[in-house]
Amino acid sequence: QKEVEQDPGPLSVPEGAIVSLNCTYSNSAFQYFMWYRQYSRKGPELLMYTYSSGNKEDGRFTAQVDKSSKYISLFIRDSQPSDSATYLCAMSVPGSYQLTFGKGTKLSVIP
Amino acid sequence: SQTIHQWPATLVQPVGSPLSLECTVEGTSNPNLYWYRQAAGRGLQLLFYSIGIDQISSEVPQNLSASRPQDRQFILSSKKLLLSDSGFYLCAWSGQGVSNEKLFFGSGTQLSVL
Repeated sequence: QKEVEQDPGPLSVPEGAIVSLNCTYSNSAFQYFMWYRQYSRKGPELLMYTYSSGNKEDGRFTAQVDKSSKYISLFIRDSQPSDSATYLCAMSVPGSYQLTFGKGTKLSVIP
Repeated sequence: SQTIHQWPATLVQPVGSPLSLECTVEGTSNPNLYWYRQAAGRGLQLLFYSIGIDQISSEVPQNLSASRPQDRQFILSSKKLLLSDSGFYLCAWSGQGVSNEKLFFGSGTQLSVL
């Protein structure tokens, strides 16, 4: 079983839709959870960061963590064509220098 | 504010040729520095990380090496490239201490070995 599983998609939605992106993990030592957005041929940029179970909201983005189920989600409300990118989940163990990334979900928002 | 510079953006090299990719960070001191490789369908793979000058840790054995000659400079090298070295190479930095899990990436180098 891989440490982090992420549905690769691709996912195509109409503009204005609510998008749900998900990752599951197997290592219960993971305590920090992140979502990165990566545009084509660019480096990933940190979108959301959280370390506790529950929801964290930032504008149209909500990160959700359920440590008991080992499941994290990113919700995008009122999706825009500019949200078209690959979304990577990442997580880490406290004190470790290594992040474990999902393989990414490619999202296309159609105008 | 902090910025990270990585160059070149694209590189085409023949098999057996040497490689040198450079990364510099501005606006912060004593950052942790990282080299990642992203291959199609394989996700991000950590190659090297450094917590200080001349302190390099290798995560994956291969024909690549890394050096950190200055606090905010990180270099990825190879003496002889292989076809399997093709990929998208990313430099990243993080702060020291409790925020070291937040990575900030450069714009990447697309390396094609032919």
